Amino acid sequence: ETGVTQTPRHLVMGMTNKKSLKCEQHLGHNAMYWYKQSAKKPLELMFVYSLEERVENNSVPSRFSPECPNSSHLFLHLHTLQPEDSALYLCASSQDVADNEQFFGPGTRLTVL
Amino acid sequence: EDQVTQSPEALRLQEGESSSLNCSYTVSGLRGLFWYRQDPGKGPEFLFTLYSAGEEKEKERLKATLTKKESFLHITAPKPEDSATYLCAVLISGGSNYKLTFGKGTLLTVNP
Repeated sequence: ETGVTQTPRHLVMGMTNKKSLKCEQHLGHNAMYWYKQSAKKPLELMFVYSLEERVENNSVPSRFSPECPNSSHLFLHLHTLQPEDSALYLCASSQDVADNEQFFGPGTRLTVL
Repeated sequence: EDQVTQSPEALRLQEGESSSLNCSYTVSGLRGLFWYRQDPGKGPEFLFTLYSAGEEKEKERLKATLTKKESFLHITAPKPEDSATYLCAVLISGGSNYKLTFGKGTLLTVNP
């Protein structure tokens, strides 16, 4: 595998479910990001990690919980989501947080019923 | 409030018909402007970074330019494989080093 991978690619969940999104980068980067992309809206930054430490939590509801166990892996834990949380969730990485050439994964298409 | 506006929202071109996409910004202190390409079902792919007015970058049929208020992505003699959504993002002074503010994108369709 090369670049940034995300699993699953598609996820359908009920509002009471708990699920997790996974991101893995094979680029040796130190910074990882979670973005939300909704239809007709710009990409929204959710979380930023630098060397496994969270450096940004962009006013994201607590029903989204990130985890970065090491610099190659990033998770987004989901619980009690709302239908309006349905979106494409994109993971990205960069060499470090000051390097704005971000490499994106293919995204997880999330549908909340 | 800082804003990034892309126009048009959608653009249809015939193969070989050159055109330009616009990204205008109203931000206080631009540190960098970024262009990305996004294909359906994929994440954005980095194209260019521009840092100062007058700067230009080229890659194949694409050329990005920057003024103090806007950036253009010029597409010369496009081919159907250039069809994608093109995203513009800005990095502003006084903010974090990594918080890009994105526009909504322009959906480009190039017909053969």
